[in-house]
Amino acid sequence: DGGITQSPKYLFRKEGQNVTLSCEQNLNHDAMYWYRQDPGQGLRLIYYSQIVNDFQKGDIAEGYSVSREKKESFPLTVTSAQKNPTAFYLCASSRYRVSSYNEQFFGPGTRLTVL
Amino acid sequence: QQQVKQSPQSLIVQKGGIPIINCAYENTAFDYFPWYQQFPGKGPALLIAIRPDVSEKKEGRFTISFNKSAKQFSLHIMDSQPGDSATYFCAASENAGKSTFGDGTTLTVKP
Repeated sequence: DGGITQSPKYLFRKEGQNVTLSCEQNLNHDAMYWYRQDPGQGLRLIYYSQIVNDFQKGDIAEGYSVSREKKESFPLTVTSAQKNPTAFYLCASSRYRVSSYNEQFFGPGTRLTVL
Repeated sequence: QQQVKQSPQSLIVQKGGIPIINCAYENTAFDYFPWYQQFPGKGPALLIAIRPDVSEKKEGRFTISFNKSAKQFSLHIMDSQPGDSATYFCAASENAGKSTFGDGTTLTVKP
């Protein structure tokens, strides 16, 4: 089955700790994205990557870092510098600038709670 | 500056009603307008999408109406069912680039 997997589903972190959220896709998509979703709010773009070894900041990149060493993987690190990290994190992928239709495929999400 | 504005924030209809969710955009270079459906605790999934060269697209009970001159598009759900209760997001993108999302509409369909 093709798709996007995120792990873990739930993650608890103590204040001051860095945590890394995993995102893997087997859709052969070039582009990958990380969004943050707070209760009752929309999707805010954290980082995105169009190709391997390249990524750009989104609207709320402060306190987060990413890497794109492989086409299939786009891990997100939530650092201790992120003031309010408790949220639902969504990873997505798409065929960036390849097709006229830019459907994004989303993973199931990771719910991060800071204790 | 929010490039895609979505309304209403929440919507309650009776079963069989026709909820309508509206979105307005500012960037005239946008050329792809999808709607996503999200159930609680899940990731969003593409519901239906339209390009600006057509004014309407229908897939099953879901219809997108597109008004290019007004820079607006809307989602209509015919014969709504309790199973349609979810959060709906509109989005827009340019040249298959990254998408800009609306803030979402929480729809509740009462039995």
